[in-house]
Amino acid sequence: DGGITQSPKYLFRKEGQNVTLSCEQNLNHDAMYWYRQDPGQGLRLIYYSQIVNDFQKGDIAEGYSVSREKKESFPLTVTSAQKNPTAFYLCASTPRVWGKSQPQHFGDGTRLSIL
Amino acid sequence: AQTVTQSQPEMSVQEAETVTLSCTYDTSESNYYLFWYKQPPSRQMILVIRQEAYKQQNATENRFSVNFQKAAKSFSLKISDSQLGDTAMYFCAFMKTGNQFYFGTGTSLTVIP
Repeated sequence: DGGITQSPKYLFRKEGQNVTLSCEQNLNHDAMYWYRQDPGQGLRLIYYSQIVNDFQKGDIAEGYSVSREKKESFPLTVTSAQKNPTAFYLCASTPRVWGKSQPQHFGDGTRLSIL
Repeated sequence: AQTVTQSQPEMSVQEAETVTLSCTYDTSESNYYLFWYKQPPSRQMILVIRQEAYKQQNATENRFSVNFQKAAKSFSLKISDSQLGDTAMYFCAFMKTGNQFYFGTGTSLTVIP
């Protein structure tokens, strides 16, 4: 079955360390997204990508970086510049077909914690 | 800028009763799409229902229906015959041109047996 796979499910980061969250989709979707979820704040957009080798900053991009070298993959790196990285991270994708209500499909998320 | 507001942080409903979750949004776009997502304790995001702004007819999916008021920029979700499995966070979402999504802060719904 097609879907979005996020790994790992749980991740721990030491102070000053960069960590990378994986997101892979086999839905043949063009657009991919990264969200951060904190209690009481809903989903906030970190980065999104409409096509390979192109991506845009969302509302809270500072301290994060992404790449989109393949259509199927959109990894997120949480850098040491992100001072409060503890959160639940969700990856999503959608076909890039305007004119139809294409909802986002989500992965199961990664819980990142500081050691 | 687009904003999505869910003014009810928490709600509860008795099993088998009906509950309505509210959502308002602000946009200057004329063509857009609206969604309700459910996030149970497993934290998986599940699409509940969708609505195209150009359609006047309110969307319905089994026990879930919406009241879409375009002029008022309101998009409420009605859950009929509430079941214990409906206990979850519910997020209202807005999608505009370019596939940009905007989410509300969520409403935590508890179904009481």
